[in-house]
Amino acid sequence: KNQVEQSPQSLIILEGKNCTLQCNYTVSPFSNLRWYKQDTGRGPVSLTIMTFSENTKSNGRYTATLDADTKQSSLHITASQLSDSASYICVVSATDSWGKLQFGAGTQVVVTP
Amino acid sequence: DGGITQSPKYLFRKEGQNVTLSCEQNLNHDAMYWYRQDPGQGLRLIYYSQIVNDFQKGDIAEGYSVSREKKESFPLTVTSAQKNPTAFYLCASRSTGGHYISNQPQHFGDGTRLSIL
Repeated sequence: KNQVEQSPQSLIILEGKNCTLQCNYTVSPFSNLRWYKQDTGRGPVSLTIMTFSENTKSNGRYTATLDADTKQSSLHITASQLSDSASYICVVSATDSWGKLQFGAGTQVVVTP
Repeated sequence: DGGITQSPKYLFRKEGQNVTLSCEQNLNHDAMYWYRQDPGQGLRLIYYSQIVNDFQKGDIAEGYSVSREKKESFPLTVTSAQKNPTAFYLCASRSTGGHYISNQPQHFGDGTRLSIL
């Protein structure tokens, strides 16, 4: 069973609107959680990282939240732009000797004009 | 510009053929990784290397082989034993400096898409 589950699988939003993506994880012991953005045919690029003690982290129009007690994270996109169309991947790292990553399957976001 | 270069971008494999995917980085990172990405699934780890001349199997190493003769290079060979090689392959690297390696981001290349002829 995947230790990182993302929802929804995909969503379509109008340009200028906001949206929120969800990530639930069971990875333990928890080290940190990152959100990556992956454009079609490209490699993932890190947007934010949060450790156990952090609740919120922003990067421009992207705001990530973390609830380490419930093992949930969200990524909020504000005032979406066409360039936000991509897959957003939640990645959780365990506290081990080499920081193995567990990847969610991603949420495919399509922003339409 | 520092980064990771994967080549080729597209690759086709014939039945019974081995093919090699190239991954080069100029970020001076010690650790390098190979992942496989299939539709609807998270990235899965094939092999990783934390230092030159050393590498370890990941979760789905069967049918693949790697080498790490230079710090900058971590090529992946998809052998004929890999019966379902069609996928998007991503190479990544990471610094092992700092207190926690897990807090260092993995930097990804732009991938190689492998298909069967």
